[in-house]
Amino acid sequence: AQSVTQLGSHVSVSEGALVLLRCNYSSSVPPYLFWYVQYPNQGLQLLLKYTTGATLVKGINGFEAEFKKSETSFHLTKPSAHMSDAAEYFCAVSDPGFQKLVFGTGTRLLVRP
Amino acid sequence: DAGVIQSPRHEVTEMGQEVTLRCKPISGHNSLFWYRQTMMRGLELLIYFNNNVPIDDSGMPEDRFSAKMPNASFSTLKIQPSEPRDSAVYFCASSTGTHGYTFGSGTRLTVV
Repeated sequence: AQSVTQLGSHVSVSEGALVLLRCNYSSSVPPYLFWYVQYPNQGLQLLLKYTTGATLVKGINGFEAEFKKSETSFHLTKPSAHMSDAAEYFCAVSDPGFQKLVFGTGTRLLVRP
Repeated sequence: DAGVIQSPRHEVTEMGQEVTLRCKPISGHNSLFWYRQTMMRGLELLIYFNNNVPIDDSGMPEDRFSAKMPNASFSTLKIQPSEPRDSAVYFCASSTGTHGYTFGSGTRLTVV
């Protein structure tokens, strides 16, 4: 079975600071990995995804993530936080058959002025 | 492209009543998923369909929950009878290939 662990239910950063949201996965097959963002009272929006190929993946709004097989990690980063980045972020894993997306418990990002 | 459309956006109902949530996936997407989101349990996959056929309903919590997909452009999630513990935000998502899921805006269900 596949699973995702997101370390830290809440992360607080100052505006302009580095954003680092951690995600570790467990999968018996090569995983497909995703980051989604959820703004209040909205659905989830895809930030970026890794399927195959380049392990550093760039997404929308300046976010990127790196797939590290040896560490079973897919951490999300952004060099400089903006107030508009405040939201909840979900890491998710799927098998290559892409039949089922399993989500982590989410990390709420707070951005201080 | 109007995205995944869910209705209603908000539903308040009394315990014991039947509730029907509706979803229109993106045209051309062959997979449809129903998720439930609560503070306690996070995002839970309830059921998913591939080409209108239910593939995995192991996440459906009880027999009170049922889902149908009569055609490629419509799905329903029904709760009968509803209970206060069913209060949650229910999301529908659709997908095709490896492009990731597209989520609807959700239905916030409150059972009183």
